[in-house]
Amino acid sequence: NAGVTQTPKFQVLKTGQSMTLQCAQDMNHEYMSWYRQDPGMGLRLIHYSVGAGITDQGEVPNGYNVSRSTTEDFPLRLLSAAPSQTSVYFCASSYSSGKNTEAFFGQGTRLTVV
Amino acid sequence: KQEVTQIPAALSVPEGENLVLNCSFTDSAIYNLQWFRQDPGKGLTSLLLIQSSQREQTSGRLNASLDKSSGRSTLYIAASQPGDSATYLCAVNDYKLSFGAGTTVTVRA
Repeated sequence: NAGVTQTPKFQVLKTGQSMTLQCAQDMNHEYMSWYRQDPGMGLRLIHYSVGAGITDQGEVPNGYNVSRSTTEDFPLRLLSAAPSQTSVYFCASSYSSGKNTEAFFGQGTRLTVV
Repeated sequence: KQEVTQIPAALSVPEGENLVLNCSFTDSAIYNLQWFRQDPGKGLTSLLLIQSSQREQTSGRLNASLDKSSGRSTLYIAASQPGDSATYLCAVNDYKLSFGAGTTVTVRA
């Protein structure tokens, strides 16, 4: 049981490049989400999904796209990377978004945009 | 919009002292509150989950309380050890998780 797996762990991009951060969970969780963590600001929600085929925007969605074609996978796409997207990205999953739901996090992807 | 605040931002204590970490939130209509530990350069490890109907939750040396009416939660760590040095984050679940900025704890040997 691997939990939540994120790849890659580290990435350097040039401004304007695109890339996809991968997230996979093996707990059959319905709810998955992406956060970014910046110094002194806590984690902020980018996008989330309540099940396959259903996604919605969080607090800071601009510049990011998501899709959820399977229960297990929830990739995050950066369309045209900007230095402001330098951050640590975390993927999380939980059984649902309501009560009795413990959230589990991946190990993070540290992204630098130069 | 839910606002979550953690005070203090940093804390340094000698080994053996009890730790008290505070978390406050603005909207009491929550499903649950979760405490996490984060080591430098690592992901978040779940420590305790308190449901909205609970007043406290315990796991080993850790005890977390929840007072929804006042919008507060406190994490107590008894008899601190150098291995407890980390950043502690609280997250409030009102359908989405809202995080505080964390308290960075240093336990001096």
